[in-house]
Amino acid sequence: SQQGEEDPQALSIQEGENATMNCSYKTSINNLQWYRQNSGRGLVHLILIRSNEREKHSGRLRVTLDTSKKSSSLLITASRAADTASYFCATRPQAGTALIFGKGTTLSVSS
Amino acid sequence: ETGVTQSPTHLIKTRGQQVTLRCSSQSGHNTVSWYQQALGQGPQFIFQYYREEENGRGNFPPRFSGLQFPNYSSELNVNALELDDSALYLCASSSGLAGGIGGELFFGEGSRLTVL
Repeated sequence: SQQGEEDPQALSIQEGENATMNCSYKTSINNLQWYRQNSGRGLVHLILIRSNEREKHSGRLRVTLDTSKKSSSLLITASRAADTASYFCATRPQAGTALIFGKGTTLSVSS
Repeated sequence: ETGVTQSPTHLIKTRGQQVTLRCSSQSGHNTVSWYQQALGQGPQFIFQYYREEENGRGNFPPRFSGLQFPNYSSELNVNALELDDSALYLCASSSGLAGGIGGELFFGEGSRLTVL
């Protein structure tokens, strides 16, 4: 079953613009992670935020977490054509349990 | 490159047949997770193996089974294939059940299964 639900399902922007993707989840979590997948390829880990953290940065990525609303957002600043991919949020309900993925947001960045 | 390798990369089977997919985990990783990803969907958790024991299973029938070997490589077996089993099967390795210090999974490129 899906734990996370990303919004929007698809996003098209121009190079240089910012892209924001949102994720809502249902149960309490130990941590929330974001992954990227190029078409038909494996997933690549981008960033992890723990339940006691509210914001995290990594390069052009900024992730926020609001546990009271059970939601997270991923911001990609100054998007590039190479950022075109699907982005998934994944939650780990408890330490040691499986990572559960959402349905993803497909980002298209045109030059 | 994550160091996780999967084989075969593509395969075609007919309904009712059996398939075995293989995964070599990244060096130093003792946990392997398997996911099924249908076209346009997110990865669905099948099961996880930790030190050769199944540790957690998603909502998949018993005809989906697995093994983990002493070198921590793993197999996914699917019996009595159905058309809906057509998907990308992803293997991910990690260090420890919580995914090690980073908590992250390292994915292979997947095995694309088509059932006709």
